Amino acid sequence: AQSVAQPEDQVNVAEGNPLTVKCTYSVSGNPYLFWYVQYPNRGLQFLLKYITGDNLVKGSYGFEAEFNKSQTSFHLKKPSALVSDSALYFCAVREENAGNMLTFGGGTRLMVKP
Amino acid sequence: ETGVTQTPRHLVMGMTNKKSLKCEQHLGHNAMYWYKQSAKKPLELMFVYSLEERVENNSVPSRFSPECPNSSHLFLHLHTLQPEDSALYLCASSQGTTVVTQYFGPGTRLTVL
Repeated sequence: AQSVAQPEDQVNVAEGNPLTVKCTYSVSGNPYLFWYVQYPNRGLQFLLKYITGDNLVKGSYGFEAEFNKSQTSFHLKKPSALVSDSALYFCAVREENAGNMLTFGGGTRLMVKP
Repeated sequence: ETGVTQTPRHLVMGMTNKKSLKCEQHLGHNAMYWYKQSAKKPLELMFVYSLEERVENNSVPSRFSPECPNSSHLFLHLHTLQPEDSALYLCASSQGTTVVTQYFGPGTRLTVL
């Protein structure tokens, strides 16, 4: 069975500093990994995904994520945080043969302070 | 944001009411989903429709009844709900069954009194 964990309920960072939002996963085979962001009163917006290839994936709004197979992690990163990045971030995983089924983490609230 | 739309955006209903949530996708996708988002809980997948056929039902109570009349529209019919059903209900769509990026609507905030 596939599962994903986001160990931090909230991450606080000052504007201009680098940010990291952590995600670890568990799957039986090869993982497909996703990050989504949710702003207040909005649905989830797709940020980026890892399928295969380069371990460093670049996505929307300057975000990137690094796939680490040995640590079963897919942490979301951004070199310089903006106040407007403050939102709820969800990591999701799908096993290679799991069809349409995504499993989401519990979410991490990112607070970027001026 | 306009690729997947949901109506209404907010709904308040009593436990004896019957109401329906509507989702429409304008992306040409062939799969649609209902999720439930409750406070401090991971997103819960409720139903998946692929090519208008239900392919997944995660043991959701029968007071929730989905309907997918075509590939662009998805409904969630609600009846005799409980207060614990209050949540944000999200619709999503995707294309294909391999590497599927799901695109979400803005959600319907449901409050059951």
